[in-house]
Amino acid sequence: EADIYQTPRYLVIGTGKKITLECSQTMGHDKMYWYQQDPGMELHLIHYSYGVNSTEKGDLSSESTVSRIRTEHFPLTLESARPSHTSQYLCASSEIGQAWRGYTFGSGTRLTVV
Amino acid sequence: GQQVMQIPQYQHVQEGEDFTTYCNSSTTLSNIQWYKQRPGGHPVFLIQLVKSGEVKKQKRLTFQFGEAKKNSSLHITATQTTDVGTYFCATDSNYQLIWGAGTKLIIKP
Repeated sequence: EADIYQTPRYLVIGTGKKITLECSQTMGHDKMYWYQQDPGMELHLIHYSYGVNSTEKGDLSSESTVSRIRTEHFPLTLESARPSHTSQYLCASSEIGQAWRGYTFGSGTRLTVV
Repeated sequence: GQQVMQIPQYQHVQEGEDFTTYCNSSTTLSNIQWYKQRPGGHPVFLIQLVKSGEVKKQKRLTFQFGEAKKNSSLHITATQTTDVGTYFCATDSNYQLIWGAGTKLIIKP
């Protein structure tokens, strides 16, 4: 079944640690996105990619980086976690030319930095 | 840049009452998408509207796109507990989605 997977589902980590949030999709979508969202609040775009070796920063500067070496994989790395990074991180994908299908989201990673 | 304003922020209804959320823009929108996010969940795509004056229905949900393509609404008839969550509108701009702030549907106990 085509889907988008995020791991870990929950993560509690100490300040200053480096972490990588994983996102993989099996739909062959070219476009992938990372959003930050506090529970029930607005979605803030952190990074996006149009395809392999393409990455762009979104509106929210979160001191993170992404890579897109393979179509299906779009990991997000926080070099030095801070309590202000505590939030939910949502990965999404979509297909170029198929906006009518909307975005498909993963289940999210709930990050707590202590 | 393009923005979409979504109101209200919250709506409390009795089960069985109707619910409506509105999205407005000062500029013409190429399209409008609607998503539902259940508490603790992730956004799920509901529908996309592209044509001026378009109306689409999904069971008890009715989606409208304004004649000037500057506003849209989502109306739920006779709400049920399964409708609880936050409803977001979004529109394509520069190959990204611009999101509304969402309207939270709360069923009064």
